[in-house]
Parts: sequence; C-alpha cells; structure tokens
Amino acid sequence: TQLLEQSPQFLSIQEGENLTVYCNSSSVFSSLQWYRQEPGEGPVLLVTVVTGGEVKKLKRLTFQFGDARKDSSLHITAAQPGDTGLYLCAGVLTDKLIFGTGTRLQVFP
Amino acid sequence: GAVVSQHPSWVICKSGTSVKIECRSLDFQATTMFWYRQFPKQSLMLMATSNEGSKATYEQGVEKDKFLINHASLTLSTLTVTSAHPEDSSFYICSARGGTGGGQPQHFGDGTRLSIL
Repeated sequence: TQLLEQSPQFLSIQEGENLTVYCNSSSVFSSLQWYRQEPGEGPVLLVTVVTGGEVKKLKRLTFQFGDARKDSSLHITAAQPGDTGLYLCAGVLTDKLIFGTGTRLQVFP
Repeated sequence: GAVVSQHPSWVICKSGTSVKIECRSLDFQATTMFWYRQFPKQSLMLMATSNEGSKATYEQGVEKDKFLINHASLTLSTLTVTSAHPEDSSFYICSARGGTGGGQPQHFGDGTRLSIL
C-alpha cells in the first residue's frame, strides 16, 4: 500500500515556467523529505521539513509542509532544463522512510 | 559529507545465478542500512531494514529466503539475490544511517542495476 500519493505523475514544461508538485497522505509524519533522482543514480536529498506549516526555500525551490503534517508541496520557479528528474517525497514513519509515488519532470529548453 | 558506495553498479547474469550486492558506508558507521527496490518509472519500495549484528526485518511481501541480507559490520551490508530470475531484474538501492532513530538522515548509494537473462 502506497501511503504517499504525488501529483502530477508526469510534468513536461518549457524552460521558464513555474510548477508545483503535491505530496498527499492520510498518515501523519514526524518529518517529510524531498529528493531528486537522476536516471541510474540514487536519490539525492533536497530538503527536510519538520514543523507543520513550515516553509523552506532553496534557491528557486520552495517546500511547504502542511499544518497537519500529512501533506507537502514543492514549487519550482522559472524551471530550467537542469531541473529535469524524478522528484520524490518521503515521509518519516517510525524508523523508516516511506517514498511517494514520484513525479517525473521534464523541462525543455 | 557521508558517502555510501554500492558495488557493482550494473550486473547481468543468467537465470538461476545468485548475485551479491555490497553497500558500504565509507566515512561513517552505519548502525542501520536499508535496501530498496525500484522498477522502471516507479518509486522506491523498501525491502528490508538491517541493523548491524542482528537479523534483517523484511517488509511484507518480500521473501527473506530469496533476498538474503547480511550486516556483519558497521560499514558493510550485503544483499544476495538467490537463484535470480528475470522478474528479479530491477534497480536495487541501499541507504545507510548512523546513530539511532528515524530522524537521522539516510545516505543513499548510487544503486545497482540487475538484469537477469
């Protein structure tokens, strides 16, 4: 059973556009992480959000953790081809990471 | 930063062969290591959690006799896919965590692509 649903599943946009990826669950997590994964590589941690309502910015990326700690969003401003990849949210549940279903982003020049 | 190395990065073998994948933490002691499986265009699915010196805990639906995990030291865990068949072909990723508790970050290896002919 997949506890974390991401939407959209696929996203194909032009360079310069903005986008938002959503990560939703019915479970409460102690913290939530966002990763980006390139083909043939392991996922790379982008950010960890811990507090409900927390907003973190990482250059053009803005991460938000829902007040109830059940959902999160990732907003990318002025997307660039280098942002292309698989974006994964992951909730920390007891001793494990539960990964979301993933959002595959393709940014065309 | 914390570095986790996986070896081999790619392996192709015949059906019925057993394949061993190594996961090493290079610059920290990993009290816990995790093994994930990722099918093409899908997310990571946790297979098992291993703590150094004890038996691995497998997720529901994962055959422990099929996927043997050994975590004999604080820097090395191995996953052996026994009698591999084409349906075992996948991308296997390990992660390692120092300290205790889910709040400690997991550091991921670069994965091993397993192709069974």
